[in-house]
Amino acid sequence: TQLLEQSPQFLSIQEGENLTVYCNSSSVFSSLQWYRQEPGEGPVLLVTVVTGGEVKKLKRLTFQFGDARKDSSLHITAAQPGDTGLYLCAGAGEETSGSRLTFGEGTQLTVNP
Amino acid sequence: ETGVTQTPRHLVMGMTNKKSLKCEQHLGHNAMYWYKQSAKKPLELMFVYNFKEQTENNSVPSRFSPECPNSSHLFLHLHTLQPEDSALYLCASSQVGHLNTEAFFGQGTRLTVV
Repeated sequence: TQLLEQSPQFLSIQEGENLTVYCNSSSVFSSLQWYRQEPGEGPVLLVTVVTGGEVKKLKRLTFQFGDARKDSSLHITAAQPGDTGLYLCAGAGEETSGSRLTFGEGTQLTVNP
Repeated sequence: ETGVTQTPRHLVMGMTNKKSLKCEQHLGHNAMYWYKQSAKKPLELMFVYNFKEQTENNSVPSRFSPECPNSSHLFLHLHTLQPEDSALYLCASSQVGHLNTEAFFGQGTRLTVV
């Protein structure tokens, strides 16, 4: 069974601060996705990382995939209230069917104005 | 706009009722999923359909019955539910065969069992 552990589970910061969310596993994933979910809505895909060591940037968000493809991080620079939400990481197994995603428990981020 | 539409958005039902959740995807994907999201728990995968065939049932109680008439539509039939079944039920779709599996989610149905 593949497990993904996210940390921290809850994070409350002031507008303008930086933060990092971590997603760790003992399993190797063929790819890893980050999603953001707002209350009462479904998760929305932010990014997919595929190659070990890969870094992707999406405006103030920086995503990194670990060299061994077992972990990932999400760094937000100068957080804004609009960044508030539940951040979920999900890993796709190495099987070629690619139909199963393993989700972490999520990090609930609150950015206070 | 995600391309995956779920109805209804909210549902309140009694334990003796029978209801159905509907999901439709407009992305041309060949796999569809039902997930359950409860408070303070990770997303739980319930069912997977690849090319209309059920390929995974994660020990879900028989009071939840999925149906996939074609690759664009997915239903979850509910009967004799329990209060602990109250949760956000999310439908998702993806393209099987891609190593970089990406799931696209609907907005969910908030289910309350009374």
